[in-house]
Amino acid sequence: QQQVKQSPQSLIVQKGGISIINCAYENTAFDYFPWYQQFPGKGPALLIAIRPDVSEKKEGRFTISFNKSAKQFSLHIMDSQPGDSATYFCAAIYNAGNMLTFGGGTRLMVKP
Amino acid sequence: EPEVTQTPSHQVTQMGQEVILRCVPISNHLYFYWYRQILGQKVEFLVSFYNNEISEKSEIFDDQFSVERPDGSNFTLKIRSTKLEDSAMYFCATRQGPGSPLHFGNGTRLTVT
Repeated sequence: QQQVKQSPQSLIVQKGGISIINCAYENTAFDYFPWYQQFPGKGPALLIAIRPDVSEKKEGRFTISFNKSAKQFSLHIMDSQPGDSATYFCAAIYNAGNMLTFGGGTRLMVKP
Repeated sequence: EPEVTQTPSHQVTQMGQEVILRCVPISNHLYFYWYRQILGQKVEFLVSFYNNEISEKSEIFDDQFSVERPDGSNFTLKIRSTKLEDSAMYFCATRQGPGSPLHFGNGTRLTVT
C-alpha cells in the first residue's frame, strides 16, 4: 500500500526531445506528489510537485500530469537538454504523515 | 538559498563501531528526517523527528539507530554498532511544516568495512 512504482529505470533521449517518466501509487491517502532530481554526489532536489486536486502542473520545461482515478502521475521534460541528465525520483506523501515514499528512480541521459 | 548541511561527506568505519552523522537544518525548519540510499537503489525513509521526539520510524530504524538534537542546532543520527549492510548514503532532510517542501542535504556516504 505504501509503494510507489516508477518506470522506466533508465531513459535515453536526444537533445530537444521529450522525456517521460511514469509513476503509479496504491495508497489513496497520498495527497502530495513531488518529483526530485538527483545529480551524482548530491542529495535529491525538489523539482516540481502536484496535489491531486489538479490534473496538470507546468513549470518551465517540466510538467506533471496527474490521473487520480488511475492513481498515476508522470513527469514530462520538454526540449530535454544534456544538463537534465540525472536520476529522477517520484514520491508521494500524505500531509498528516511524515514518511515520503519514493519510487525506484529513473536514470535519464540526454544525448547532445 | 538556505541549505541543509551534512557532515562528514564520507565516513569509513569498521564493522561494530559507532558512527554519528551530523546535520544542520535550515534555520526555521521544525521537522527533521533521515533517509538512506543504498548504492543504485531508491531512497528509503528511516525516521522523522519533531518537537524533540521521534514522530515516525520505519522498519529499518531498529535499536541500533538513534536520533537526537542535542544542542538545538545539530540533528544527529547515531548507529551504535555498524554492520556491513549499513553502508549507504544517508540524507538528512528538513521542512518548515506539514505540506511544505522537503529539503535534502548532500548526504554522508557511510562505508562499513
